[in-house]
Amino acid sequence: NAGVTQTPKFRVLKTGQSMTLLCAQDMNHEYMYWYRQDPGMGLRLIHYSVGEGTTAKGEVPDGYNVSRLKKQNFLLGLESAAPSQTSVYFCASSYPKASYNEQFFGPGTRLTVL
Amino acid sequence: DAKTTQPTSMDCAEGRAANLPCNHSTISGNEYVYWYRQIHSQGPQYIIHGLKNNETNEMASLIITEDRKSSTLILPHATLRDTAVYYCIVNNAGNMLTFGGGTRLMVKP
Repeated sequence: NAGVTQTPKFRVLKTGQSMTLLCAQDMNHEYMYWYRQDPGMGLRLIHYSVGEGTTAKGEVPDGYNVSRLKKQNFLLGLESAAPSQTSVYFCASSYPKASYNEQFFGPGTRLTVL
Repeated sequence: DAKTTQPTSMDCAEGRAANLPCNHSTISGNEYVYWYRQIHSQGPQYIIHGLKNNETNEMASLIITEDRKSSTLILPHATLRDTAVYYCIVNNAGNMLTFGGGTRLMVKP
């Protein structure tokens, strides 16, 4: 049981390049999330998904696209990377119960855009 | 979701109890109090949550005041490995958790 995994762990891009971050979970969770964390800051929600084939915008969605073609995978795409997107990206998943929403986080992807 | 206010940083001696306060004076009746922590460079980790009653698990205890406007996370015997940023989050069990700045807890030998 690997939990939540993220690929790649590190990446350096040049401005204007594109890339896709992959998040995978093996806990059969319905909900998945993408956050970004800038230095010294808390996490901010980019996009999330409440089930296969669905996505929704979070707090800071501009410049990112997502897809949830399979329940276990959640992809985050940057079509034209900008230096402002230099950050650590965390994926999370959860199976919300009626009373609470415990999220399980991956180890993060460190992205630098030059 | 209600906003929370936490001290920016705290120190605690190893082996002593760490008491981390959180103010959430605008909390509404159906909102839960969650605590997560983030150890350096890692993804956040769920600690505990509560609605009205005090809660305890293997990691910590959560004390919520009767008016629910504030809470305290207690780590009963802090170790060096408890050094982390602790986030207090108020949420109504919806999809989004809003992470503020948190409290940076430094456990010292």
